[in-house]
This record gives sequence, structure tokens and C-alpha cells, in this order.
Amino acid sequence: EAGVTQFPSHSVIEKGQTVTLRCDPISGHDNLYWYRRVMGKEIKFLLHFVKESKQDESGMPNNRFLAERTGGTYSTLKVQPAELEDSGVYFCASSQRWTALTYNEQFFGPGTRLTVL
Amino acid sequence: RKEVEQDPGPFNVPEGATVAFNCTYSNSASQSFFWYRQDCRKEPKLLMSVYSSGNEDGRFTAQLNRASQYISLLIRDSKLSDSATYLCVVSVYSGAGSYQLTFGKGTKLSVIP
Repeated sequence: EAGVTQFPSHSVIEKGQTVTLRCDPISGHDNLYWYRRVMGKEIKFLLHFVKESKQDESGMPNNRFLAERTGGTYSTLKVQPAELEDSGVYFCASSQRWTALTYNEQFFGPGTRLTVL
Repeated sequence: RKEVEQDPGPFNVPEGATVAFNCTYSNSASQSFFWYRQDCRKEPKLLMSVYSSGNEDGRFTAQLNRASQYISLLIRDSKLSDSATYLCVVSVYSGAGSYQLTFGKGTKLSVIP
């Protein structure tokens, strides 16, 4: 079974440009998460989709970041306009349908390494 | 204070050594606890969940102390393939069916021949 995939693997853009990252979760996983690791810092939660709905976007840093998950399948994360401090590795993760009794393992994609010059 | 704090490392140990990682978390509402492993420039992968009763998976033993908000990971008989960064992770229920994972910065382990 294919794991979580992300595209592109690397992106180098200039400050002020727009970049769109894509995540394809494991087939059948309703939950999709975005995380980010800025250099020298820990991985931080950005937001959580359940199917196409944003369940929790408390980690989104500001309104330059827009995440979508049309149709509840793949998700995109757009940064517009990009700033220097947006550089880092953006991870996507997915998990099966949540239940009240169990925590479902989050499977991570390989990440997109974003460099803003 | 960071939400999840780990030994800064790096840990450089010879093959066959026993190594212990420690972690503390600040949010008493944390519900689930994990150790993830991350190889260089790769994604984090779940190594094991951590329970209050303690749990063991081969050479790996994890322990949770909720009272002191402390998590540990013990690796016995270290192998070269254990070289990686070990991430202490806690999960907090943030409402409406959403769990947030909160990560420590990780501790880098290098097992030396």
C-alpha cells in the first residue's frame, strides 16, 4: 500500500513569491495533518482536516498560509506571499477515522523542503 | 518552558551499549505518548507508544510517569542501525475529534562500531 506522498520534495523560491505544496494521504484516511519544522526548532502542528473540513487550524502561523482539501482526498498548502521565516520542512500526515476510544497512528510523508531566499 | 523537553544530545555510544533517553512534558492534559524515530532527512516514524504500565518491544523499553510528566526510552544492545534522532511526542485532544501531536526537538543518537 502506498504511503503518504508529498510534492514537490524541494522548492526554492524568492521572498514574495507563491508556493503550493501538495499532500496525498494514504487511501481511505479521513484525517490529514500538516506540520512544519523550522531549522533548529521542533516539528510543530499547523492544521488538521477531517475529510474536507478543517477541524483544527490553531497552528497556522498567519493568513499567508491557506490549506485546502477539496473532495476530502489530497490537500494543498499555499504560502502567499512567502517570507524568509517560512523556510523549513513541511510534513503531511494522515490517519484513519478517529474514534473516541483509540488514537490512530499518524503516518508521515517524506516532507517538502522549502527554502525562501 | 517548552511543551516537550528532551535531552539535547547528541549521544555517541559504542555498539552493544545501553542508552536511555528522557523527556518531560508540560501539558497535564496530554493523553497519549510516543517515541518516534527520524532518520536524517526522512520523515518521522512511530517507534512505539508509551503506557503507564511500561512497555517493551524487543530491545526497546518505554516508560511513562504521569505524576511527574516524564517519559523514557531505553535501548539495549545498541546496533549501528539504531543511529537516528529520537523524538518524544505527546498527543493532546484539542476538541471535535482532533488530536494534536506535540514534538520535542529530538535527541540524536550515533552508534559507533
